[in-house]
Amino acid sequence: AQSVTQLGSHVSVSEGALVLLRCNYSSSVPPYLFWYVQYPNQGLQLLLKYTSAATLVKGINGFEAEFKKSETSFHLTKPSAHMSDAAEYFCAVSDGNNDMRFGAGTRLTVKP
Amino acid sequence: SQTIHQWPATLVQPVGSPLSLECTVEGTSNPNLYWYRQAAGRGLQLLFYSVGIGQISSEVPQNLSASRPQDRQFILSSKKLLLSDSGFYLCAWRRTGGTYEQYFGPGTRLTVT
Repeated sequence: AQSVTQLGSHVSVSEGALVLLRCNYSSSVPPYLFWYVQYPNQGLQLLLKYTSAATLVKGINGFEAEFKKSETSFHLTKPSAHMSDAAEYFCAVSDGNNDMRFGAGTRLTVKP
Repeated sequence: SQTIHQWPATLVQPVGSPLSLECTVEGTSNPNLYWYRQAAGRGLQLLFYSVGIGQISSEVPQNLSASRPQDRQFILSSKKLLLSDSGFYLCAWRRTGGTYEQYFGPGTRLTVT
């Protein structure tokens, strides 16, 4: 069975600071990994995906994530936080079937 | 381009009343369809998924049911709502095959009183 653990339910950064949201996965097969963002009372929007083509994945809004098999990690980063980045972020893993597992989410707060 | 719709956006229903939430996808054919529930401050729980018309798989035994009467239509129902059914319901779709990412609708906020 596959699973995802997001370290830190809340992360707070200052505007302009580095954003680092942590995700560790467990999967018995080569995983497909995703990061989604959710703004209040909205659905989830796909930020980026890892599908084994490249270990460093670039997404929308300046976010990127690096797949590290040895660490079973897929951390999300952004060099400089913007106020509009404040939202809930979800890491997810899929085994290629109809079973996508989501982490519990990390709420990002950006301070002016 | 593909679009996914959900309605209603918000719903307040008394305990014991029926429920029908609808989801439709435009711009694609034969999508896989999913219903998730998101409780306050928690992650997503997969409720049902469908790989084709009339084909429904249930992930969690509960007070809800799902149907897929048309290729791009997915309905979530209940005959009698419970207080514990309150939450944010999200519909999602993905292409058959591909790289398995799912695309989500705007969600329905259900409050059972």
